[in-house]
Amino acid sequence: AQTVTQSQPEMSVQEAETVTLSCTYDTSENNYYLFWYKQPPSRQMILVIRQEAYKQQNATENRFSVNFQKAAKSFSLKISDSQLGDTAMYFCAFMSQGGSEKLVFGKGTKLTVNP
Amino acid sequence: GAVVSQHPSWVICKSGTSVKIECRSLDFQATTMFWYRQFPKQSLMLMATSNEGSKATYEQGVEKDKFLINHASLTLSTLTVTSAHPEDSSFYICSARGRTSGIYEQYFGPGTRLTVT
Repeated sequence: AQTVTQSQPEMSVQEAETVTLSCTYDTSENNYYLFWYKQPPSRQMILVIRQEAYKQQNATENRFSVNFQKAAKSFSLKISDSQLGDTAMYFCAFMSQGGSEKLVFGKGTKLTVNP
Repeated sequence: GAVVSQHPSWVICKSGTSVKIECRSLDFQATTMFWYRQFPKQSLMLMATSNEGSKATYEQGVEKDKFLINHASLTLSTLTVTSAHPEDSSFYICSARGRTSGIYEQYFGPGTRLTVT
């Protein structure tokens, strides 16, 4: 079974600075997807970024980018120019390609952006 | 596009009663929907996978008779908590499987806060 580990329960960053959230996963599969979701205080889950395992190029979405290291099974999220609205819980998630397509979530990292 | 709604957003019920939560995909058809439970300051725990026209697949440890799931159409899945007890109080989130940009992903509803008194 796949597992997702987020080793940082809480992090904080100053507004406008850069922060990196860590995520590692364990799987024996070769084809899969990885996601970062944001859950603000409203508790609505919001997709931040996704990565397809067969793509070597790291995904980017505006201020958000990932460092995907397939061999190391690592998938970190970098947030540049942090904004107060980035304050939220961030969950890393794994999904197999094909099959049940269930999401396996990490325990989350609570990020606080300070003014 | 890819909007998922949940109703109600918040419900209070008395112990022993049943409560139904609806999950709708508003602008796409979803053959598969998922139901999660989230305790405060914790991650999402998958309860079951709901497939249109067939029985739901429950995760290990989830009581099928307590959490009844029905997926009668391509846009609606319901979760009924039967004979609710205070320990069932939680935040319930649904998601619907949809496809954008060539790959499938899950689109999440806003969640339902259940309080059992």
